Amino acid sequence: DTGVTQSPTHLIKTRGQQVTLRCSPISGHKSVSWYQQVLGQGPQFIFQYYEKEERGRGNFPDRFSARQFPNYSSELNVNALLLGDSALYLCASSPGLAGAETQYFGPGTRLLVL
Amino acid sequence: AQSVSQHNHHVILSEAASLELGCNYSYGGTVNLFWYVQYPGQHLQLLLKYFSGDPLVKGIKGFEAEFIKSKFSFNLRKPSVQWSDTAEYFCAVNGYSGGGADGLTFGKGTHLIIQP
Repeated sequence: DTGVTQSPTHLIKTRGQQVTLRCSPISGHKSVSWYQQVLGQGPQFIFQYYEKEERGRGNFPDRFSARQFPNYSSELNVNALLLGDSALYLCASSPGLAGAETQYFGPGTRLLVL
Repeated sequence: AQSVSQHNHHVILSEAASLELGCNYSYGGTVNLFWYVQYPGQHLQLLLKYFSGDPLVKGIKGFEAEFIKSKFSFNLRKPSVQWSDTAEYFCAVNGYSGGGADGLTFGKGTHLIIQP
């Protein structure tokens, strides 16, 4: 049974650039959430998408955006990268809305901004 | 807004010692509570969860946690730790208002090292 997959695994960008991260949920899961994990901290909630609609947003600037496709995969976009965006970006999926269900995490994409 | 506080950032124990990691949360309504574990080089895995019912929940690998509503706590316990329990442990809460759109709020994590 395939778990949550994310690509790429690692990425290096420079300040001001844009980046797109990808996530494929567990088969049958309709909800995808994105989290940012800075070194030494717990993950912070960025977005939740369910049935292709944004259903929740954390306290992140508008430079962060996401979308969910008909096959329930998702992309996270970050524009105008800052040094502080360097982090591990985690994707999690759940069968339905994440509020009442367990979220299953992928391995993450490690982004380094120089 | 919901918040989670983990009491210990670093814990070092010897094998066979008992473990208790503290977790307190702040949220005014119904919550779902989780402990996740991140072993070295691996991704976050669910250790156990509490949604409702018996406040003492059992998870994988001999871990258990007790939900004490009056204390807003969800402490993680294991009677006898093993070297393989060395990992980062995260307590997380999801305030559930029916909309389910808030996402998980995580504590800062506890880095547990078990010495052989």
